[in-house]
Amino acid sequence: AQRVTQPEKLLSVFKGAPVELKCNYSYSGSPELFWYVQYSRQRLQLLLRHISRESIKGFTADLNKGETSFHLKKPFAQEEDSAMYYCAPRGSQGNLIFGKGTKLSVKP
Amino acid sequence: DTAVSQTPKYLVTQMGNDKSIKCEQNLGHDTMYWYKQDSKKFLKIMFSYNNKELIINETVPNRFSPKSPDKAHLNLHINSLELGDSAVYFCASSQTGTGKETQYFGPGTRLLVL
Repeated sequence: AQRVTQPEKLLSVFKGAPVELKCNYSYSGSPELFWYVQYSRQRLQLLLRHISRESIKGFTADLNKGETSFHLKKPFAQEEDSAMYYCAPRGSQGNLIFGKGTKLSVKP
Repeated sequence: DTAVSQTPKYLVTQMGNDKSIKCEQNLGHDTMYWYKQDSKKFLKIMFSYNNKELIINETVPNRFSPKSPDKAHLNLHINSLELGDSAVYFCASSQTGTGKETQYFGPGTRLLVL
């Protein structure tokens, strides 16, 4: 069964500090992985997908198949980055399998 | 020009009532989903439809019945509402077979059962 683990429920950092939100997955076959972000009381938005290997809002994520990880990183956190972040592989039927989410709080 | 819209945004109702949540997407996508987000912010798939056909039907009580009148709409009807149904329900859509298949989410419907 496909599973995803986000070990940190809450991550609190100061503005300007580096941030890493951890994600580990178990998946048979080639996974397709996403990071979604949910700002306070807003809809979920796609942040990154591993296939595109792009940087959005300063965030990057590298798929490490050896460690089965897809950690989300940003070198300098901003207050507006405060949100819930969800790591999600795509399931075999196309749905997203969400981790429990990590709440990122960036303090001034 | 909202891509995925849901109505209502908020729904407060009594236990035992029947209610519906509507979802519409104007992206021309062929697949739509319903996800439930509980009080701990945990998101889980409930249903998905592809071209009006049920693809995923996770273990949800049969009080929940999705209906897809056409490709652009996926409604969720809930019978005999219970306290545990209180959650935020998100609709999403995607286009399969493009290689991108990003899911676009609606704003959510916050359901509170009293």
